[in-house]
Amino acid sequence: SQTIHQWPATLVQPVGSPLSLECTVEGTSNPNLYWYRQAAGRGLQLLFYSVGIGQISSEVPQNLSASRPQDRQFILSSKKLLLSDSGFYLCAWSRTNSGNTIYFGEGSWLTVV
Amino acid sequence: DQQVKQNSPSLSVQEGRISILNCDYTNSMFDYFLWYKKYPAEGPTFLISISSIKDKNEDGRFTVFLNKSAKHLSLHIVPSQPGDSAVYFCAASAVNTDKLIFGTGTRLQVFP
Repeated sequence: SQTIHQWPATLVQPVGSPLSLECTVEGTSNPNLYWYRQAAGRGLQLLFYSVGIGQISSEVPQNLSASRPQDRQFILSSKKLLLSDSGFYLCAWSRTNSGNTIYFGEGSWLTVV
Repeated sequence: DQQVKQNSPSLSVQEGRISILNCDYTNSMFDYFLWYKKYPAEGPTFLISISSIKDKNEDGRFTVFLNKSAKHLSLHIVPSQPGDSAVYFCAASAVNTDKLIFGTGTRLQVFP
């Protein structure tokens, strides 16, 4: 069966510090990978998605970047965090051509102070 | 521009009764619709889906209805149970895309 893990689960970072959230998927190959964010009182906003190694699409202009160094690894980064980057970050995966059901990881709480 | 809208931020239902969660969309290219359930501090879990060639899909206590002409879908939970208390998100994707667009969610509370 397929599993998805992301870490760390919680993170408190000062403004201006860097960020790295990591996500890995097991039990499948060549998945589509996604980073979503849920800000307080808002829905799930798609930040990045990737259909293959090194292929990243950004959905919204922001202070974050994503990378896919390996087939089942997806990393969310920032060089300098802003207060507005606080939120609940979710990694997700889907099979290609699957009717687009996506499956989420456990989420990572980021608080920028 | 919010392409998927859940206009009710919260809903309170008595245990055993029916819960009806609503979702509207604006993009006529959407052809696949899903509902997710989310508990606090956890990732959303997939609940049920429907493609645009159907108008109803049922899975146990959960039924999703799709009205394409009205660009409206709904999730019915019968009977509602306290464990159903969570935030429910509807989502949609367009043909030949790999992206899901989510609504803002509806918080369902089922009380005894």
